[in-house]
Amino acid sequence: DIQMTQSPTSLAASVGESVTITCLASEDIYGSLVWYQQKPGKSPQLLIYGATILEDGIPSRFSGSGSDTQYSLKINSLQPEDFASYYCQNGLSTPYTFGAGTKLELK
Amino acid sequence: EVQLVESGGGLVQPGRSMKLSCAASGFTFNNYDMAWVCQAPKKGLEWVATISYDGSSTYYRDSVKGRFTISRDNAKSTLYLQMDSLRSEDTATYYCARHEILTTAGFDYWGQGVMVTVSS
Repeated sequence: DIQMTQSPTSLAASVGESVTITCLASEDIYGSLVWYQQKPGKSPQLLIYGATILEDGIPSRFSGSGSDTQYSLKINSLQPEDFASYYCQNGLSTPYTFGAGTKLELK
Repeated sequence: EVQLVESGGGLVQPGRSMKLSCAASGFTFNNYDMAWVCQAPKKGLEWVATISYDGSSTYYRDSVKGRFTISRDNAKSTLYLQMDSLRSEDTATYYCARHEILTTAGFDYWGQGVMVTVSS
């Protein structure tokens, strides 16, 4: 199984700041990396797929990068609605493993 | 508008069975692979199972193989998860999710989730 190691586990930031979350796959996933946002009590929302492709309707302050085994999600100019949990996911093959999540909190 | 509405959750004793349903609308159901993803209380997301658009192929995480069965009725636009021999560690919110057409692109729509509690 492909293991997804996500860091940091939690992160405190202020509105207007930029943050980066990283995800390391245990083997090459050839860019098949997906990012989700989940707010408390809500279902996850797809943000980015194919490591870099923004899902329709997602603000451009979100961006993804990476290849092979190393990937990152960057959020520029944090907005109040961005404080949530974020998960990466291996989209290459079953089992479709997720990272353990990063909780982004307001400083 | 794409909608996925789960039903069938609740409290069940260890070793018993439960069947979840997910009613889909707003898209051509039989064009898409579908999945179940779960989330234990205060924990992260875990993929449970996937079924191909026509039901011909199914895939499971190891911990549920032989106990859970994913199925679909394309005539009714409904996805199912039959859960047998339930264990306390199966306690979670279960989400029905639609695979992107390109399955490497993740899950683009999710239901609201249904809670399953396995306890005596």
